[in-house]
Amino acid sequence: DTGVSQDPRHKITKRGQNVTFRCDPISEHNRLYWYRQTLGQGPEFLTYFQNEAQLEKSRLLSDRFSAERPKGSFSTLEIQRTEQGDSAMYLCASSWGENTEAFFGQGTRLTVV
Amino acid sequence: AQKVTQAQTEISVVEKEDVTLDCVYETRDTTYYLFWYKQPPSGELVFLIRRNSFDEQNEISGRYSWNFQKSTSSFNFTITASQVVDSAVYFCALTFNNAGNMLTFGGGTRLMVKP
Repeated sequence: DTGVSQDPRHKITKRGQNVTFRCDPISEHNRLYWYRQTLGQGPEFLTYFQNEAQLEKSRLLSDRFSAERPKGSFSTLEIQRTEQGDSAMYLCASSWGENTEAFFGQGTRLTVV
Repeated sequence: AQKVTQAQTEISVVEKEDVTLDCVYETRDTTYYLFWYKQPPSGELVFLIRRNSFDEQNEISGRYSWNFQKSTSSFNFTITASQVVDSAVYFCALTFNNAGNMLTFGGGTRLMVKP
């Protein structure tokens, strides 16, 4: 296991389509985080899981955004009815417990045309 | 509410120069954690340091050093004898106690080290 893996690395979609991104955390990590990063800005926290439980989701940007981690391993982030403003880099991170640093994946770059 | 400000959006230095990246934060929490991450062109955020609010000792790791001053709410990062490989965007971040890695990031500072 070499780190947090995200798939796909790039996604181009037409406005109005649904997209789903996948994140595979470091295998022993129980916490998984999703962030969004727009061009020239710092990452913005979206949601996180401890095992399969989604413990914080109030920062998801709208009800078009949802995330799952069904078996406490990989996670998916879905955006329904995409808009041009959704174009960004979506980053996933994982950590073991609360007080250790998070390791980030390389992100999925979404372009909505 | 928490806020992190990195006033320097872009810094350019020549190799071997020392450079300091500034970070100022705002929080009402008495217990909090500060971080620095590096984001190279590949896009992956690389963890550099995590510091809790009760530990104001400066830290040095090789060419990197950090100066935490609670009195001025600052957590500055210095690279000594910069190298071309240090070119990246650097982010300062903040979280409160029990928040794990729900981080509030600053806007980042792009560092360009020229040969």
